[in-house]
Amino acid sequence: GAGVSQSPSNKVTEKGKDVELRCDPISGHTALYWYRQSLGQGLEFLIYFQGNSAPDKSGLPSDRFSAERTGGSVSTLTIQRTQQEDSAVYLCASSFGQGYPGVYEQYFGPGTRLTVT
Amino acid sequence: GEDVEQSLFLSVREGDSSVINCTYTDSSSTYLYWYKQEPGAGLQLLTYIFSNMDMKQDQRLTVLLNKKDKHLSLRIADTQTGDSAIYFCAVYSGAGSYQLTFGKGTKLSVIP
Repeated sequence: GAGVSQSPSNKVTEKGKDVELRCDPISGHTALYWYRQSLGQGLEFLIYFQGNSAPDKSGLPSDRFSAERTGGSVSTLTIQRTQQEDSAVYLCASSFGQGYPGVYEQYFGPGTRLTVT
Repeated sequence: GEDVEQSLFLSVREGDSSVINCTYTDSSSTYLYWYKQEPGAGLQLLTYIFSNMDMKQDQRLTVLLNKKDKHLSLRIADTQTGDSAIYFCAVYSGAGSYQLTFGKGTKLSVIP
């Protein structure tokens, strides 16, 4: 079946503009995660959804970042008033359920490369 | 919070063994993972080990866990050019959201 898909694959935007990044999880996966991978850094957790609710938003770096999930499926990560330090690859992952990642493997999408000029 | 460290680069000759090392700080870490990231692709789970295990072998991959030293390693036997990628160590420490804490990744280059 189809894996996790993300769009766009690449996004170049001017500083100060808003951007929306989309994630389509694997069908039937109830848990969805957003991570950020900055140059030379590991993956940084941003936010987690279980269904449509986000019980853990602790990783969002500032109030310019927000995310929503509708219908228990598609998720959108929005960055308002983008800054150059927001340039990174944004990765989405989904898993079948909520639990130890050893039991509920997180499947990753290919990511969206965001460049803020 | 949890901190995960890896060396950034490793270069080996085709056919040799590769050993990628990782250290972590949280002794309560329960699951430890190795992911592979090829250029332009998402992360692929290679293998994982539960904290009550010392070793796990899966074909060419061997994972060793030293809980006392909080050290995890991934050995790739008979390394091939197709193994060239970035390898991430990741740790689950019991956070309620089941998020993973990742290292910065080790870029493995295989020389033909």
